[in-house]
Amino acid sequence: GQQLNQSPQSMFIQEGEDVSMNCTSSSIFNTWLWYKQDPGEGPVLLIALYKAGELTSNGRLTAQFGITRKDSFLNISASIPSDVGIYFCAGQWSGAGSYQLTFGKGTKLSVIP
Amino acid sequence: DTGVSQDPRHKITKRGQNVTFRCDPISEHNRLYWYRQTLGQGPEFLTYFQNEAQLEKSRLLSDRFSAERPKGSFSTLEIQRTEQGDSAMYLCASSGGGTDLYEQYFGPGTRLTVT
Repeated sequence: GQQLNQSPQSMFIQEGEDVSMNCTSSSIFNTWLWYKQDPGEGPVLLIALYKAGELTSNGRLTAQFGITRKDSFLNISASIPSDVGIYFCAGQWSGAGSYQLTFGKGTKLSVIP
Repeated sequence: DTGVSQDPRHKITKRGQNVTFRCDPISEHNRLYWYRQTLGQGPEFLTYFQNEAQLEKSRLLSDRFSAERPKGSFSTLEIQRTEQGDSAMYLCASSGGGTDLYEQYFGPGTRLTVT
């Protein structure tokens, strides 16, 4: 099935650094979601975005819904060891009555203490 | 709110056997979704229920797969005549009908290994 282009695929950062990752699609979405997944567990919802240009924060996390509706960005400020995991973006187009999410392949984040 | 639960967490089966997984959504969530995730990939949509009605199915859901939600509460996903390619994490998610309509909350998943 269709997947989103998520970058970078992986990143190693020092504790305390800021992190940026993004997600692009060839199709427009009217909802963007960001999830974090730990090994052997299900994805945990971090942030939901509903409007083009919207900027939403959740603690040290900030996400933006791109103006073109084909991209989204996630920033993590002042990273800590528990930020380690795989971050997934997911887009949804409910125009045809569909509620399925289309996921990227994930960005694997490693934090060096 | 106890979250989405899935049972079993792990299942090892031999090729050709049938397996069934169960998902209990967040209470009062009327929408329930099944996804499959293979190693190194994001989850891929399989099917979606609103209450007991199965409203959407992916092409990934072959004839060997069947999902039910008979009373609009828990759901089951059955795979018949399992193949090695069915080895994956099977994830269930649910969402409500209000302002969080589009926010899907996932369970811990069932890891299937077909030998």
